[in-house]
Amino acid sequence: AQKVTQAQTEISVVEKEDVTLDCVYETRDTTYYLFWYKQPPSGELVFLIRRNSFDEQNEISGRYSWNFQKSTSSFNFTITASQVVDSAVYFCALTFQTGANNLFFGTGTRLTVIP
Amino acid sequence: EAQVTQNPRYLITVTGKKLTVTCSQNMNHEYMSWYRQDPGLGLRQIYYSMNVEVTDKGDVPEGYKVSRKEKRNFPLILESPSPNQTSLYFCASSFSPRIGENTEAFFGQGTRLTVV
Repeated sequence: AQKVTQAQTEISVVEKEDVTLDCVYETRDTTYYLFWYKQPPSGELVFLIRRNSFDEQNEISGRYSWNFQKSTSSFNFTITASQVVDSAVYFCALTFQTGANNLFFGTGTRLTVIP
Repeated sequence: EAQVTQNPRYLITVTGKKLTVTCSQNMNHEYMSWYRQDPGLGLRQIYYSMNVEVTDKGDVPEGYKVSRKEKRNFPLILESPSPNQTSLYFCASSFSPRIGENTEAFFGQGTRLTVV
């Protein structure tokens, strides 16, 4: 069974603090892809990153960084020096090389950055 | 501008009154799908289409229909809406059916549907 778990339902931080959003996945496929999406209060889904199962390099994009560890089936997302504009719901998602390309989403983490 | 456009953005309707949510993409994508988002459940796939005239069920297809007569359009049809279909709906498209291989899913802005 394929599954994505985001155990943190809601997180609040004070502006400029660092915050890590956890994502743990389950799959029996050896080839798969992991994603993070941001959903701001306006409701749209904004693509942040895609990572395939063969690439365990961590990635940094500005204040955002991602830590992919196959050994623990985790794909965590860290925001450094958080800003109010980072307040949103963040979704981790999983898909596969075969099949219907259904994106399996976690339940999301609502991040609130307090000024 | 590359985009996926859903209409309407907001809709309140009554139980049993047929409705259609339209979805159109301008990227010549082959693959399109519909998701619904519910609190505590994330997004779940309703239906998907690999190409014109090719559609199939996702994880939660009950109560929904789709059609793909043209590549750019993928409407979601609720023949007899019920209150448990109150949700936030997203249409998505991608160039390749294999989301992940150098492609990503582009999402529409969402349609918030309330069935009373």
